[in-house]
Amino acid sequence: DVKVTQSSRYLVKRTGEKVFLECVQDMDHENMFWYRQDPGLGLRLIYFSYDVKMKEKGDIPEGYSVSREKKERFSLILESASTNQTSMYLCASMSWTSSTDTQYFGPGTRLTVL
Amino acid sequence: SQQGEEDPQALSIQEGENATMNCSYKTSINNLQWYRQNSGRGLVHLILIRSNEREKHSGRLRVTLDTSKKSSSLLITASRAADTASYFCATREGAQKLVFGQGTRLTINP
Repeated sequence: DVKVTQSSRYLVKRTGEKVFLECVQDMDHENMFWYRQDPGLGLRLIYFSYDVKMKEKGDIPEGYSVSREKKERFSLILESASTNQTSMYLCASMSWTSSTDTQYFGPGTRLTVL
Repeated sequence: SQQGEEDPQALSIQEGENATMNCSYKTSINNLQWYRQNSGRGLVHLILIRSNEREKHSGRLRVTLDTSKKSSSLLITASRAADTASYFCATREGAQKLVFGQGTRLTINP
C-alpha cells in the first residue's frame, strides 16, 4: 500500500516565523501535491511537482514556496507565516504510470498561526 | 478552480438507510473519482468511474455517471456509523491536477 506521511499532525507557530511542512511518500511516485483545506472552500492546490527539482504553481501559491530535492520528499515552506495561513494542509502523491489519476493523501497537518 | 460541486453540502440519515450524494462538473472528463475524508484526516480514494462507463459498483458503493448532464452520483447502501465522513468528487484538469468539489458532509445517526 502507498504510504504518505507528513511531519506533524498539529503545529502552532507565531506570525512571521518560517515554517516547514514535510511530506514523504514511499511508492516512487513522480507527482506530489500540496493542498490547503478550509471550511466552505474545499481543497485548494498550492503547488505541485512532477519531478525532482520541478515545481508548478497551483491555484493559491502566494505566500508559499516548495522544495523537491529528492523524489520521495516534497516540502512546503511558509517564508513568513501569517494568521490567514492557519489551515489544514494536505500532501498527496500520484504515479505517472498509473492508469488512473488516483492521488494518495497523507493524514494532514493542522497549522495554527498566532 | 473548483470544477466539481457536490450536493447536498450536508446530509444526515439513520443507520441502515441509503445515502445519495451528487456531483456536477463543467468540462469534459476522462474519469471522475470519489474520495472520503474522515474528520481531521487525509482523503482516501473510494472509486473511479471512466467517461465511457455509466455505473460502477464497489461493495456498498454505487457510482453513476451521466456525461450528457455532466453529473455523477454516489450511493452508499445500508449505511453504518463508520460511513460518517465528508465525501468529495474529483476530476482531472490538465496533465496532473485534480480538482475537488467542496464535499458533502455525511452524518449517520445510530
